[in-house]
Amino acid sequence: AQSVTQLDSQVPVFEEAPVELRCNYSSSVSVYLFWYVQYPNQGLQLLLKYLSGSTLVESINGFEAEFNKSQTSFHLRKPSVHISDTAEYFCAVTVTGGGNKLTFGTGTQLKVEL
Amino acid sequence: EAGVAQSPRYKIIEKRQSVAFWCNPISGHATLYWYQQILGQGPKLLIQFQNNGVVDDSQLPKDRFSAERLKGVDSTLKIQPAKLEDSAVYLCASSRRGDTQYFGPGTRLTVL
Repeated sequence: AQSVTQLDSQVPVFEEAPVELRCNYSSSVSVYLFWYVQYPNQGLQLLLKYLSGSTLVESINGFEAEFNKSQTSFHLRKPSVHISDTAEYFCAVTVTGGGNKLTFGTGTQLKVEL
Repeated sequence: EAGVAQSPRYKIIEKRQSVAFWCNPISGHATLYWYQQILGQGPKLLIQFQNNGVVDDSQLPKDRFSAERLKGVDSTLKIQPAKLEDSAVYLCASSRRGDTQYFGPGTRLTVL
């Protein structure tokens, strides 16, 4: 069975500073990887995903994540954060051909401060 | 395109009572999922439907939880009787054919 580890439960950062949210996964087979964002009292929104091809994937609002198979990681980065990025971020994995069952990490609360 | 709709948004019940949640997926999405998100944890899949058939319900506590998806569109998730540990946000998601999942706003259940 696959699993996801998000070691940082909270990440405080000042506005316009860079940030990295860490995600490591465990699986014996090929995987697809996702980052979802959850704003207060809202459902999860897909931020970006890795299915195949280029290992670097980007979102429309400046986030990027790089799939590193050797390190089994899919860390999320943004070079300059904004107050509006304050939210909870979840990393998730599904095995290829596994019926699209997502396994989520425990989430990282990103708090952007002025 | 309208998103995934869920109701109610909030529900407070006493333990041993029953409760039901409703989900309307995005039009044309054949796959529907129910997740349970306990405070401080990531969402956990309870059940997955493909049209009106169950694909995966391995993590559904079947002694108290039930779900159905009549006519392959709307779905209801029921808990009977509720326990304190069922307090959580219940998320519904849908996908076109088992690809990207789109989530609704969730129903926050508090069991007293």
